[in-house]
Amino acid sequence: QVQLQQWGAGLLKPTETLSLTCAVYGGSFSGYYWSWIRQPPGKGLEWIGEINRRGSTDYNPSLKSRVTISEDTSKNQFSLNLSSVTAADTAVYYCARGHGGATSIYFDYWGQGTLVTVSS
Amino acid sequence: QSVLTQPPSVSGAPGQRVTISCTGSSSNIGAGYDVHWYQQLPGTAPKLLIYGNNNRPSGVPDRFSGSKSGTSASLAITGLQAEDEADYYCQSYDSSLSGSWVFGGGTKLTVL
Repeated sequence: QVQLQQWGAGLLKPTETLSLTCAVYGGSFSGYYWSWIRQPPGKGLEWIGEINRRGSTDYNPSLKSRVTISEDTSKNQFSLNLSSVTAADTAVYYCARGHGGATSIYFDYWGQGTLVTVSS
Repeated sequence: QSVLTQPPSVSGAPGQRVTISCTGSSSNIGAGYDVHWYQQLPGTAPKLLIYGNNNRPSGVPDRFSGSKSGTSASLAITGLQAEDEADYYCQSYDSSLSGSWVFGGGTKLTVL
């Protein structure tokens, strides 16, 4: 059974960098697309970006200048860095496994979510 | 403003059938890209409900079904149960945003 377990700092000040890591247990790391998705309080889901099976990354254009997603295949982990955070970045952040290919990716396993609050 | 438009809320009585629409455009659903659906219970992570327009993952009851036509997709829930009360999201690919995955704004289902 695949499980995603994520962790990282939950309280940040404006201008700091958000850092989260997600570990994958019980399944193959290669062959999938590993994404980060966020959900502001009381709002909908927003895809942040992914690192794909070739080790290359794709990001939401609205966040691209501040986002870096990396992987450590030796540990079956991938990470999110979001720089220069503001209050607008306050959200629950989820890691998720993308299954499929090309233009048909769906997210079949999700982490438990991490609430990140940005406040001075 | 989400790229995919969903009604903010729908409701139905136990045993009834409800549908949730997801309206897109020629750069996403209308371009033929697949639509996927998720169920999010309060305080939990989203759960995959339908993938590839009309396929159910193992363990999802056949009361849930999906369809797609033109620039829209729909999620239907028959035999409504109290445990179905949740938020529902559609998701697809959009080619106009330098290629990215997009979600609908979500629909709150209330079981009366």
